[in-house]
Amino acid sequence: GENVEQHPSTLSVQEGDSAVIKCTYSDSASNYFPWYKQELGKGPQLIIDIRSNVGEKKDQRIAVTLNKTAKHFSLHITETQPEDSAVYFCAASRGAGGTSYGKLTFGQGTILTVHP
Amino acid sequence: NAGVMQNPRHLVRRRGQEARLRCSPVKGHSHVYWYRQLPEEGLKFMVYLQKENIIDESGMPKERFSAEFPKEGPSILRIQQVVRGDSAAYFCASSHGAVSAETQYFGPGTRLLVL
Repeated sequence: GENVEQHPSTLSVQEGDSAVIKCTYSDSASNYFPWYKQELGKGPQLIIDIRSNVGEKKDQRIAVTLNKTAKHFSLHITETQPEDSAVYFCAASRGAGGTSYGKLTFGQGTILTVHP
Repeated sequence: NAGVMQNPRHLVRRRGQEARLRCSPVKGHSHVYWYRQLPEEGLKFMVYLQKENIIDESGMPKERFSAEFPKEGPSILRIQQVVRGDSAAYFCASSHGAVSAETQYFGPGTRLLVL
C-alpha cells in the first residue's frame, strides 16, 4: 500500500519568514495530493491540493509543488504569520476510480510554530 | 452552508461498553470516510462508505468495529466492547462523489476516552 513520509516533524520560523514542508510517497499510482492544517482540538482543514497533471499550484501565500518522477511534493508558505502556527499534514490518494478510490494516506505531520 | 458535523464531540466510556459515533456529511455529499488519529500521530484511514454501501473497509479492525451509512440519516461508526487502546480522535470526512470527487472535507472529530 501507499506510504507517505513527511519532514520535518517540527519547524520553527520567525514571522515573515518562509516555511517549507516536504513529503515523499511510494505508490506511483497516486495522483491527488492535498495538504491539511489542523489546529488544536479541531479537525483537519483543507488548505490546498494538487493533482498529478500539474507541477505547481499557488493560492496567495501558499503554494504546492509536485515532482512525479521523484515522487515528492512540498508545501511552501511565504510571509508566515503567527496564525499559521498549527500542525500540517500532507496526504496522497489514487483519486477517482478503483477500489482505493478516495482513501487518503497521511504523513506524520509537521508542527509549525511562527514566532512574532 | 453547514460543513461536516460530528457528535458527540467528546465521549467517555468504560471498558466493555459500546461507543456510537455519528457523522452528517456536507449537504449534497454522498461519500463518507472515517479516520482515526492516535495522540500525536497522523490520521489513519478506517472505512469508506457510500449511501447503503461499504466500499472499502481495509483500515477497520476485523472485530468490534462496524460502520454504516443508511439511506436516511447520519453515518454511524460503532465500537463494541471498547478497550483502552480505542481511545483516540475519530474524524469523519465527506466528498461530493462527482464534482471534485476526491476532495475530502473533515468534521471536528469525536474524542473518545476509554476508562
